[in-house]
Amino acid sequence: EVQLVESGGGLVKPGGSLRLSCAASGFTFSNAWMTWVRQAPGRGLEWVGRIKRNADGGTTDYAAPVKGRFTISRDDSKATAHLQMNSLKIEDTAVYFCCLGSGYSDFDYWGQGTLVTVSS
Amino acid sequence: DIQMTQSPSSLSASVGDKVTITCRASQDISNHLAWFQHKPGKAPKSLIYAASSLQSGVSSKFSGSGSGTDFTLTISSLQAEDFATYYCQQNDAFPFTFGPGTKVDIK
Repeated sequence: EVQLVESGGGLVKPGGSLRLSCAASGFTFSNAWMTWVRQAPGRGLEWVGRIKRNADGGTTDYAAPVKGRFTISRDDSKATAHLQMNSLKIEDTAVYFCCLGSGYSDFDYWGQGTLVTVSS
Repeated sequence: DIQMTQSPSSLSASVGDKVTITCRASQDISNHLAWFQHKPGKAPKSLIYAASSLQSGVSSKFSGSGSGTDFTLTISSLQAEDFATYYCQQNDAFPFTFGPGTKVDIK
């Protein structure tokens, strides 16, 4: 069974940084494309970005609101994906979900999410 | 960006009902459309990918159809565990965008 566990969320001041992690199990992580999606309070789902598997170049893509501030990385040896968030804004407040793409789509499996609150 | 709309935004239904949710894209996305189920505090669940392909392990009471700009998710016989919010999502072009969701609750 594929399981994804996010961690690293919390309260941070505007302009601050936070690093989220997504630990995966039950799948050969090196074969997975990893994606981050967020949901602001009372809002819908918003795609944040993704990283391809290293065999496909390990390249990243980002949504415009986070490009230049957020960085997605992966550590295949630890079956973990990371979302480094810098220059955080109040509007980045959201539950952040990681998703694992196992070959059918980018979103085959989801974690339960971790809450990030940006507030002074 | 490709805009996704869903209708209805919410619906009330009874156990055993057939439920249909519609999703529309602002431009042709071929069959690059997915459906997800989300319950509060839980991990979202992938139901359908490529517009009509059932995700592994998902009940066959869920089905998807459509191509181009108009898509449908059907639940053939609603059960208690199906009360949730359903989202469509296009993965044809960046940024991948989600519909606003359809909340299905108990009548």
